[in-house]
Amino acid sequence: LAKTTQPISMDSYEGQEVNITCSHNNIATNDYITWYQQFPSQGPRFIIQGYKTKVTNEVASLFIPADRKSSTLSLPRVSLSDTAVYYCLVGPPINDYKLSFGAGTTVTVRA
Amino acid sequence: EAGVTQFPSHSVIEKGQTVTLRCDPISGHDNLYWYRRVMGKEIKFLLHFVKESKQDESGMPNNRFLAERTGGTYSTLKVQPAELEDSGVYFCASSQDSRIGEQYFGPGTRLTVT
Repeated sequence: LAKTTQPISMDSYEGQEVNITCSHNNIATNDYITWYQQFPSQGPRFIIQGYKTKVTNEVASLFIPADRKSSTLSLPRVSLSDTAVYYCLVGPPINDYKLSFGAGTTVTVRA
Repeated sequence: EAGVTQFPSHSVIEKGQTVTLRCDPISGHDNLYWYRRVMGKEIKFLLHFVKESKQDESGMPNNRFLAERTGGTYSTLKVQPAELEDSGVYFCASSQDSRIGEQYFGPGTRLTVT
């Protein structure tokens, strides 16, 4: 799996937009980018996945530039309940079941 | 639909004892995975079942760990004998297929070996 680099922590306030950038310079042609969220005392939870350009769902948006060497997870109008660790994972979408979690980014949302 | 459940939520045992962790995947999910986070480190893959067969157990740390999935439903992970370095959180996940991004995790079992 491609190595990923993301900030260790980020602070924000309620109502703001949070953008977490993940670097993955050695991403392979068939790799997808996946983000997981983990709340304290819970298991990781899938948020979003994309291959290129932009993907949006009810939780977040994922922006992937043309060179795909980085990606940005965007959390719109965060609330206190969005305080969690966010993981960026890169790997092929099929037949690669070994999810490889890095240290993740701890996002702390304050009132 | 019920999610992935794990039992117990927390287990405290002494070094040398045996502990068995249980995971019930989402109904209908053929794929079941075990992961763990030890000593505040990153979450690491342990093994993968497809139905009752072990697809990949390359992440199992040593032969003190034994995972089973009889009948292709729930799975157990036994640690015997437990060592101090086994302390951590053990997560189970399941999926309908093996595509990355579609694994559903349980809340984890926190194992403390004293």
